[in-house]
Amino acid sequence: EPEVTQTPSHQVTQMGQEVILRCVPISNHLYFYWYRQILGQKVEFLVSFYNNEISEKSEIFDDQFSVERPDGSNFTLKIRSTKLEDSAMYFCASSFSGSFGEQFFGPGTRLTVL
Amino acid sequence: AQKITQTQPGMFVQEKEAVTLDCTYDTSDQSYGLFWYKQPSSGEMIFLIYQGSYDEQNATEGRYSLNFQKARKSANLVISASQLGDSAMYFCAMRVNTGNQFYFGTGTSLTVIP
Repeated sequence: EPEVTQTPSHQVTQMGQEVILRCVPISNHLYFYWYRQILGQKVEFLVSFYNNEISEKSEIFDDQFSVERPDGSNFTLKIRSTKLEDSAMYFCASSFSGSFGEQFFGPGTRLTVL
Repeated sequence: AQKITQTQPGMFVQEKEAVTLDCTYDTSDQSYGLFWYKQPSSGEMIFLIYQGSYDEQNATEGRYSLNFQKARKSANLVISASQLGDSAMYFCAMRVNTGNQFYFGTGTSLTVIP
């Protein structure tokens, strides 16, 4: 069964460093998403991406964040200058439809900022 | 604005018994979808069940069923014949037709007791 994959599973970085989180969505999906979950809290939407551009973003997704689909398979989230409060689990998700139907989530990348 | 509320931070159920996890939602959109995801301790998000706002029948998927009461804006998850492997966090989520992000509740931690 096709699945969303994410690398790395765990990333440790120093405050102020740039990190890139990588995702490979399901191959025939058209919509891609990033969510984050701070430990013990609910899952929060960051951004959605369709047709090579951002279609929706939350207040969390400020100028330090960017997303890119550099080729036909990868979808990346870049955090330019990490802060302690960026420590969280980051989930990538993809879906075929933009309006309805489930989003398929990857296993997550746990980001720890020291 | 969209909102999902899960009022049960923790629930316990005896193995083989049924359990209901509560979810209420708020939206002014007429067209929306409701989802339940399971998050085991390993962290991944596993899709369980989906209910569309125009679906007249309650959704069922194996041991999972969704008790959808549109007038009360509730979408409770019922797990029948609980198993030890059901112990996890459960998140209710909503998606509306005017956007493509998911709105998540704060989750319910379910513990199945042998």
